[in-house]
Amino acid sequence: ELKVEQNPLFLSMQEGKNYTIYCNYSTTSDRLYWYRQDPGKSLESLFVLLSNGAVKQEGRLMASLDTKARLSTLHITAAVHDLSATYFCAVDMNNAGNMLTFGGGTRLMVKP
Amino acid sequence: DAGITQSPRHKVTETGTPVTLRCHQTENHRYMYWYRQDPGHGLRLIHYSYGVKDTDKGEVSDGYSVSRSKTEDFLLTLESATSSQTSVYFCAISGVVGTGANTGELFFGEGSRLTVL
Repeated sequence: ELKVEQNPLFLSMQEGKNYTIYCNYSTTSDRLYWYRQDPGKSLESLFVLLSNGAVKQEGRLMASLDTKARLSTLHITAAVHDLSATYFCAVDMNNAGNMLTFGGGTRLMVKP
Repeated sequence: DAGITQSPRHKVTETGTPVTLRCHQTENHRYMYWYRQDPGHGLRLIHYSYGVKDTDKGEVSDGYSVSRSKTEDFLLTLESATSSQTSVYFCAISGVVGTGANTGELFFGEGSRLTVL
């Protein structure tokens, strides 16, 4: 059974600081996804990582994938309040692009 | 934004009653999914479909059935709702139209909040 674990589960940080969210998974997969969810809203796709060593950046967020370590990171640079949300990683169970298993989410609060 | 519409968006029902949630897409994507979201559990896959009349079970399929008679519609049915099925249900789609690789990226609907009393 594929397990996807995120840590921390909750993160409170000051504006301007840097931090990293970790996503570990338990089985071989070359595909990993990051999503953002605002309270009471749907999930928005942030990054699609499809190979070992993949790195994607958008604004203050950067995601990377190490398939050998079964680890993905979401790095936040100089956080701003607008980044406050819950972030989910998801792993493709069979590398076929049709079944994702989600982590439990990391709730991020950025304080002024 | 992906054209995904869920209905109803909110529903309150009583234990033992049947409930059907509808997901409608205008993107002509091959894959459609139903997830449920509960505090502390992230999103868990209930059922998914890989084409018209082609469906399969996910991680938490007990108590749920699905049907897909047209590419654009994917229905989730709770034959006899229980309080443990109180949740937020998300429909998602993925795939490409025509040729090309499916990256597996999911696009989500707005969610349906179901309360079973």
